[in-house]
Amino acid sequence: QKEVEQDPGPLSVPEGAIVSLNCTYSNSAFQYFMWYRQYSRKGPELLMYTYSSGNKEDGRFTAQVDKSSKYISLFIRDSQPSDSATYLCAMSAYNDYKLSFGAGTTVTVRA
Amino acid sequence: DAGVTQSPTHLIKTRGQQVTLRCSPKSGHDTVSWYQQALGQGPQFIFQYYEEEERQRGNFPDRFSGHQFPNYSSELNVNALLLGDSALYLCASSGTSGRGTDTQYFGPGTRLTVL
Repeated sequence: QKEVEQDPGPLSVPEGAIVSLNCTYSNSAFQYFMWYRQYSRKGPELLMYTYSSGNKEDGRFTAQVDKSSKYISLFIRDSQPSDSATYLCAMSAYNDYKLSFGAGTTVTVRA
Repeated sequence: DAGVTQSPTHLIKTRGQQVTLRCSPKSGHDTVSWYQQALGQGPQFIFQYYEEEERQRGNFPDRFSGHQFPNYSSELNVNALLLGDSALYLCASSGTSGRGTDTQYFGPGTRLTVL
């Protein structure tokens, strides 16, 4: 079993729809949770950073963390064609220096 | 403010050869981490360098080695290349702690193809 599981999709939605992405994890030591966006043949770009359980909102993006269920989510409201990318969840423990990533979900927003 | 830069952009090598990839961290950062991203997969942690020392290493063989220079830039060396080493190699920089508390910013990557 992988430490971080993420459905690779692909996910295709019409413009304006809500995109829902999620990851599950097995390591209870994870406390820091991130979502990165990666365009084709580019490096990952940080979208959201959250600590412990709860919600965080930034513009059209909302990140949710449920540590009791070991489950994190990212919601994208009013999706745009420019949101078409691969979305990677990543997480880390306090005394760990590495990020553990999911496999990434490929999202296409159709105009 | 320059972000993380990596060179070269693309590289083609043959099996058995050696390769060196380079990374310059974001301004103000002194910690550099390297990741390998195979096609269709998430990045896998190779190692992290801080104060010119390898601070943590992932599950990669000794063929993968690195170095950090006094100006905080870093190199990743891979010896005896295998076909399976073909991947996007990402460099990430972060602040001094380098822990999960610090955000890691990624460069554009070097795409290595081993023939």
